[in-house]
Amino acid sequence: EDQVTQSPEALRLQEGESSSLNCSYTVSGLRGLFWYRQDPGKGPEFLFTLYSAGEEKEKERLKATLTKKESFLHITAPKPEDSATYLCAVQGGGGETSGSRLTFGEGTQLTVNP
Amino acid sequence: KAGVTQTPRYLIKTRGQQVTLSCSPISGHRSVSWYQQTPGQGLQFLFEYFSETQRNKGNFPGRFSGRQFSNSRSEMNVSTLELGDSALYLCASSFSQNEKLFFGSGTQLSVL
Repeated sequence: EDQVTQSPEALRLQEGESSSLNCSYTVSGLRGLFWYRQDPGKGPEFLFTLYSAGEEKEKERLKATLTKKESFLHITAPKPEDSATYLCAVQGGGGETSGSRLTFGEGTQLTVNP
Repeated sequence: KAGVTQTPRYLIKTRGQQVTLSCSPISGHRSVSWYQQTPGQGLQFLFEYFSETQRNKGNFPGRFSGRQFSNSRSEMNVSTLELGDSALYLCASSFSQNEKLFFGSGTQLSVL
């Protein structure tokens, strides 16, 4: 059974204070690791997909990295508008029956104070 | 391009009732998935439909069911509602299986 654990559960930063969020996973045959952002009262918004160890992707102040056991979401010089819950998910297994099924972590609630 | 649309946005029901939630995927997307989100359990996979066929099902009781129509729109049904069914129900679509999911804003279901 695929499992995803995110840490910390909550993180409070000052504007401009860089930090990292962690996502540890166990999966049978990783097909993709996904990062989503979720604002209160809204559905998750796609950020990144990583497919293999060593891969990195960047978008504005966010950078996602992947190893064989974990992924990190690095936030550089965050702004108050980066406040949200960040969700990590894995797509595992293989074959035609696996489909798009994602296993999510509980998320990290990030608050950036001005 | 319109995103994933879910209706209704909010729903209040009582125990024992049944409920039907609706999802319209992004135009051209053929895969629709449903997830349940609660504070204690996070996002849990319910089921996935592709070309009107259920391709995957999560670990939920048979009271939870769904279907997909020929235009890719999907509905999920929960019968004999229980207090524990109170949750945000999220629909997500993708062009095909194995691709990134685009989520709707969800239907917030409260069971009293």
